[in-house]
Amino acid sequence: DAEITQSPRHKITETGRQVTLACHQTWNHNNMFWYRQDLGHGLRLIHYSYGVQDTNKGEVSDGYSVSRSNTEDLPLTLESAASSQTSVYFCASSESGGPQETQYFGPGTRLLVL
Amino acid sequence: DAKTTQPPSMDCAEGRAANLPCNHSTISGNEYVYWYRQIHSQGPQYIIHGLKNNETNEMASLIITEDRKSSTLILPHATLRDTAVYYCIVRVRGTASKLTFGTGTRLQVTL
Repeated sequence: DAEITQSPRHKITETGRQVTLACHQTWNHNNMFWYRQDLGHGLRLIHYSYGVQDTNKGEVSDGYSVSRSNTEDLPLTLESAASSQTSVYFCASSESGGPQETQYFGPGTRLLVL
Repeated sequence: DAKTTQPPSMDCAEGRAANLPCNHSTISGNEYVYWYRQIHSQGPQYIIHGLKNNETNEMASLIITEDRKSSTLILPHATLRDTAVYYCIVRVRGTASKLTFGTGTRLQVTL
């Protein structure tokens, strides 16, 4: 069955280190998204992509970057991890122009920055 | 995208219908109403969406008022596994595909 996976599921890192969170989907969806979720804020959009070589900033993109070299993957990189980036990160994908444009979410990655 | 207002929490007895309201008084004519839910520690899950007609699928029903300023998500026979945070989202379909999540309604289904 097609799916969307995230790895690692849990990560502990230190301030200043570079961290990359992986997101892989097998639906062949053009659109992919990264959100973070913190208590009191709900889900907030970090970056998104509408296709290979396309990336766009969301509402909380500072300190994060993404690259889209193929359809299946959208890795999220924290260039220099900060304690404020401790959060739960969700990746999602959707099909362009479909009747629903439903976003399918991965299981999430819990990141702790010490 | 139009702003939505939902009650922060609701309770429902197992087996009864859960009716979750959403106010979206500034909705535009081309904006759809989407509902997602998030069960604890999991990623959000799509439930249903609609424009102006009532919609039903295997998970829920969506009732949209005639003036489209509010809607109600109905879980006809709530179970303990329906305990989750439910998000009502309004957006134009076909543009950007971005979802703006508010704080949602925390539904607690009890025995």
